[in-house]
Amino acid sequence: GAGVSQSPRYKVAKRGQDVALRCDPISGHVSLFWYQQALGQGPEFLTYFQNEAQLDKSGLPSDRFFAERPEGSVSTLKIQRTQQEDSAVYLCASSAIQGAISTDTQYFGPGTRLTVL
Amino acid sequence: GNSVTQMEGPVTLSEEAFLTINCTYTATGYPSLFWYVQYPGEGLQLLLKATKADDKGSNKGFEATYRKETTSFHLEKGSVQVSDSAVYFCALGGNTDKLIFGTGTRLQVFP
Repeated sequence: GAGVSQSPRYKVAKRGQDVALRCDPISGHVSLFWYQQALGQGPEFLTYFQNEAQLDKSGLPSDRFFAERPEGSVSTLKIQRTQQEDSAVYLCASSAIQGAISTDTQYFGPGTRLTVL
Repeated sequence: GNSVTQMEGPVTLSEEAFLTINCTYTATGYPSLFWYVQYPGEGLQLLLKATKADDKGSNKGFEATYRKETTSFHLEKGSVQVSDSAVYFCALGGNTDKLIFGTGTRLQVFP
């Protein structure tokens, strides 16, 4: 079946612009995660949803970052007034089980590469 | 807090050589441990996992054993192929929702 999809795959923004990144999780997956991967680094956690509820946003680096999942399926990560340090690959992942979250497999999308000029 | 440390790359091997990529962790409680792989131009894929001490995860000829006494989860393969060239990430999942990743190790296999 279809995996996690993300759009756009590449985004170039001028500093100060707002951007919106979309994630379509695997159908029926309860949990959805956003990660940020800087060049040459491992992914770092940004935020987590269980259905439409945002249960953890401790990794969001500033109040310019905002995520939503209003109907418990598709999610959008929005970055306002982008800065050069926001340049990274933004990864979305979903998983099926809502209990013991981190023992379950997270399935990752291909990511959106954001470049802020 | 929880953390993962993995060996720096690149690791460069000839085809059919033995592979070891070291991974150690620091965690409270009893985390699950994962290896993810990122092939060129593709997203992260789960390679294998282990959810408790002494478990061995295996897939596609790769193996890793969850060693609580040494807080390690080293990735091994007996005979690598050119197609194994990728970036490998060790990750830890504790009692919270997030995965904590290492910095990744690039493997380059030459024929």
